[in-house]
Amino acid sequence: DQQVKQNSPSLSVQEGRISILNCDYTNSMFDYFLWYKKYPAEGPTFLISISSIKDKNEDGRFTVFLNKSAKHLSLHIVPSQPGDSAVYFCAASDQYSSASKIIFGSGTRLSIRP
Amino acid sequence: EAQVTQNPRYLITVTGKKLTVTCSQNMNHEYMSWYRQDPGLGLRQIYYSMNVEVTDKGDVPEGYKVSRKEKRNFPLILESPSPNQTSLYFCASSLSALAGGTIYFGPGTRLTVT
Repeated sequence: DQQVKQNSPSLSVQEGRISILNCDYTNSMFDYFLWYKKYPAEGPTFLISISSIKDKNEDGRFTVFLNKSAKHLSLHIVPSQPGDSAVYFCAASDQYSSASKIIFGSGTRLSIRP
Repeated sequence: EAQVTQNPRYLITVTGKKLTVTCSQNMNHEYMSWYRQDPGLGLRQIYYSMNVEVTDKGDVPEGYKVSRKEKRNFPLILESPSPNQTSLYFCASSLSALAGGTIYFGPGTRLTVT
């Protein structure tokens, strides 16, 4: 049973438009959420995080929204750029538990078309 | 440069031939772990280590061994590889063993077992 789900394996967005990547979780104990970005032939790199005490966190073109009641988070990229083409992993945990308890989703491949 | 390194990056081997994938980090991180990435399944944890000589099983430990004799190194050992271990492997480390810390990933090792 996957505790963190990314239901869209892929997403194609036109350059300059908004990209919205979605993630659902089932464990109500999760209170810390992260997004990682992965380019081909490289390891994932940390992108942005959000704690459950917030419902929004913004970093430049990237904004993560958290809806605790729906157990849903989303990553918005505005405007989308060609360099944003990558696989995005959502992850969740109880932030005071062990790092070994971080659960990753299956990833969404984002393609930005010209 | 702060980084996690893995070797080899690509490996093709045959069933039953023992292999080791090395992992090293230069950030003096306490926490290290191994993940495998498979299509549709995301990143799944194999083994993790909270510190030197302290290792524990993750979600998919069968067929793997690890050791942590030094803080910087965390090799992954496949004593008798099988085709179902064909996957993309990532080593990772974090300064904190708590889930609130940032995880740094290595570049990945693509393993094919025939």
